Amino acid sequence: AQSVTQPDIHITVSEGASLELRCNYSYGATPYLFWYVQSPGQGLQLLLKYFSGDTLVQGIKGFEAEFKRSQSSFNLRKPSVHWSDAAEYFCAVALLSGGSYIPTFGRGTSLIVHP
Amino acid sequence: GAGVSQTPSNKVTEKGKYVELRCDPISGHTALYWYRQSLGQGPEFLIYFQGTGAADDSGLPNDRFFAVRPEGSVSTLKIQRTERGDSAVYLCASSNTAQETQYFGPGTRLLVL
Repeated sequence: AQSVTQPDIHITVSEGASLELRCNYSYGATPYLFWYVQSPGQGLQLLLKYFSGDTLVQGIKGFEAEFKRSQSSFNLRKPSVHWSDAAEYFCAVALLSGGSYIPTFGRGTSLIVHP
Repeated sequence: GAGVSQTPSNKVTEKGKYVELRCDPISGHTALYWYRQSLGQGPEFLIYFQGTGAADDSGLPNDRFFAVRPEGSVSTLKIQRTERGDSAVYLCASSNTAQETQYFGPGTRLLVL
């Protein structure tokens, strides 16, 4: 079965600093990978996804992620963090099941942004 | 347009009671998903509908949990004989087709006393 590890429960950065959130997955075949963001009182929102092709994926809100097969990683990055980026971030790996991609989520990383 | 909506936003019930949680997907979306998110955890898949039928219900934890989508739009998640361990946020998502982006609702926070 597939699994996702987000080793950092909390990350604190200063506004304007760069950000990298770590994600490692365990899955035998080529994975389908996602990053979601969950802000207080709001639903989960897809930031970006990787299915195949270019291993550097661009997403919304200035985020990007890089798929590294050799490291089984899919880390999320942003060059300059804004205070509004404070939220919970979830990495997910998906299997194709019943005709859809059913994600298995990591436990999440809480991003705290200092002014 | 309107996003995915879920009602109620909060539900408090007593152990052993029956509860129903409702999900209104984005209009026209054929695929609908239910997840459960416990405190400090990521969402956990429960069940996925394609149209009116459950295409994958492998995430339902036991037979106390059941979900329906009779007309291929609104879905109801039903929990019988609730237990304190059922306390969580129940999330619903929908997508235009089964392989497109899932859009999540705000969730229903269930507390079983």
